Amino acid sequence: DAGVIQSPRHEVTEMGQEVTLRCKPISGHNSLFWYRQTMMRGLELLIYFNNNVPIDDSGMPEDRFSAKMPNASFSTLKIQPSEPRDSAVYFCASSLVFQGTGELFFGEGSRLTVL
Amino acid sequence: AQSVTQLDSQVPVFEEAPVELRCNYSSSVSVYLFWYVQYPNQGLQLLLKYLSGSTLVKGINGFEAEFNKSQTSFHLRKPSVHISDTAEYFCAVIEPYTGNQFYFGTGTSLTVIP
Repeated sequence: DAGVIQSPRHEVTEMGQEVTLRCKPISGHNSLFWYRQTMMRGLELLIYFNNNVPIDDSGMPEDRFSAKMPNASFSTLKIQPSEPRDSAVYFCASSLVFQGTGELFFGEGSRLTVL
Repeated sequence: AQSVTQLDSQVPVFEEAPVELRCNYSSSVSVYLFWYVQYPNQGLQLLLKYLSGSTLVKGINGFEAEFNKSQTSFHLRKPSVHISDTAEYFCAVIEPYTGNQFYFGTGTSLTVIP
């Protein structure tokens, strides 16, 4: 299996621009998570989906952030408009919950720099 | 509410010395416990996990952890560290029967000194 695939790996953009991060979970997994990692706040859960349905988005910072999961094999995290404080590494992870051990499998991350 | 506490934010240790990274959690129900490792510029990888059964679990790279229910702890140990063990280590908890949200600790930065 190819594992969780994220794109782009690196993104540098200017303040005010729209940013879209993409994630392909492991085939057969039924839960998908978006995390943000910064030096100041560590690893923060932004949102997670179960069977493509958003279950908990309480970690989404504000209305500038949105996430979608149109099907079981694809998810996006969008920031519009972006701000310098959004600079971070964004991780996508997937899991097979209830039927499995619940182990999270992480992608390599998307490093976002907003100038 | 569920929480995970990693008591040490930074742990320096000399090469070939033993190390213990501490993790405590709060939960009144059954839990699954995990340790993840993050090498620089990479995602998190599973080191080991406790689901049930033997309280001593062994993982990759010579790491092991012991689940202590009475102390609600899941400390990670390695008898002899190597330079390549320098990384960030995260403890995580999930309550498998009440939800699938992972709770991560704040991480412990392990630095192995030659």
